[in-house]
Formats: sequence, C-alpha cells, structure tokens
Amino acid sequence: SQTIHQWPATLVQPVGSPLSLECTVEGTSNPNLYWYRQAAGRGLQLLFYSIGIDQISSEVPQNLSASRPQDRQFILSSKKLLLSDSGFYLCAWSPDRNYGYTFGSGTRLTVV
Amino acid sequence: GIQVEQSPPDLILQEGANSTLRCNFSDSVNNLQWFHQNPWGQLINLFYIPSGTKQNGRLSATTVATERYSLLYISSSQTTDSGVYFCAALGATNKLIFGTGTLLAVQP
Repeated sequence: SQTIHQWPATLVQPVGSPLSLECTVEGTSNPNLYWYRQAAGRGLQLLFYSIGIDQISSEVPQNLSASRPQDRQFILSSKKLLLSDSGFYLCAWSPDRNYGYTFGSGTRLTVV
Repeated sequence: GIQVEQSPPDLILQEGANSTLRCNFSDSVNNLQWFHQNPWGQLINLFYIPSGTKQNGRLSATTVATERYSLLYISSSQTTDSGVYFCAALGATNKLIFGTGTLLAVQP
C-alpha cells in the first residue's frame, strides 16, 4: 500500500533562517505531488504541484520554492524565512489528477 | 479558476444528532473530495465522489455534478466527529481547490 511521510512535525525557526521540509511517498511511482499551506484560520492554499521530476508549477509567488530531486521526493524550501511564512504545511500525492489526494500529517512551522 | 463554497461555516450539535454539510462549486469537476481535519491537523480523506452517492458507516455523501453541489451527511454524531470538514474540487486545471470548511463541534 502507499504511504506518505512528512517531516518534521513541528518546527520553530528565526526570521531570516533557511527552511527545508521534506515529503516522500512509498509504494507508488510517478505520483503527482503537492504542497499546501494552511494559515491561521481554515483555508488551504495550493503552493506548488509537480507531475514529474523537475516539473514543478508554482501557484503563488512568494518566499518559497519547491524541488523534486527524486520521483517520490518533494521538498519545500526557503532561503530566508519571513514571519508571514508561519503556518501548517501539508504535502499530498495522487496517482493522477482525476484520483483522490492523500495528505501527509503536516508540519507546523512557527517563524519567530 | 473553480470556486468552492461551503455551508454552514460553523455547526454545533448535541451527540446523537444528524447533520448535512453542503458544498457548492462553480464549474464542472473531475474530482470532488470530502476531508475531515482532526484536532491535530491531519486531513483524513472521507470520500472521493465526483458524482453519485457513497456511504461509509455513519457518513454518506452525494454529489450532483450537473447542479454543481455535494452534500455530506453525518448521522448519530459523536464527539469524535468534531473538527473541520473540507470539500475540495478539481476542475479543468491540475489543482485541487479547497472550500473554507465547516467547523463542527459535537457536544456530549
């Protein structure tokens, strides 16, 4: 069966520090991968999605970037964190755009 | 892009009560999902239901794609049902768009 792993679970980082959040999927190949952010409140905002290695689309221009160095690995990065980057970051995968998405357990990031 | 609206925004129930959550979407969809976000933040996939009706225990969902809405039914609610319920839709683009959710509180 397929599983998605996301780490770390929580992170407290100072303003201006770098960020690297990692997401991996097991049990499948060539998944579609997604990064979402949930700010205080409820809405989930799509940040990046990838349909293959080195094929990444950015939805919202901001202080973050994403990379997919391997088929089942998706990384969210920042060179210098801002206070506004605080939030709950969720990685998700789907076998195809027309199939259901499965989410990881999330990373709660607090920038101080 | 596609717009997703959910109602009600907040709902308080007594344990054992039934409820209906609604999701309206602005365009035809290839994918429609219902999620439950538990108090720890995890998004649990409840239903993948671009059309038709599905049931899973006390939960069921119906999507009427031609009329652009979906309903989530919770019967005999329990305190563990508390949390935020999200509807999310995927239209012509490769993006699953979320509604703003319904915050459900089930009181004992």
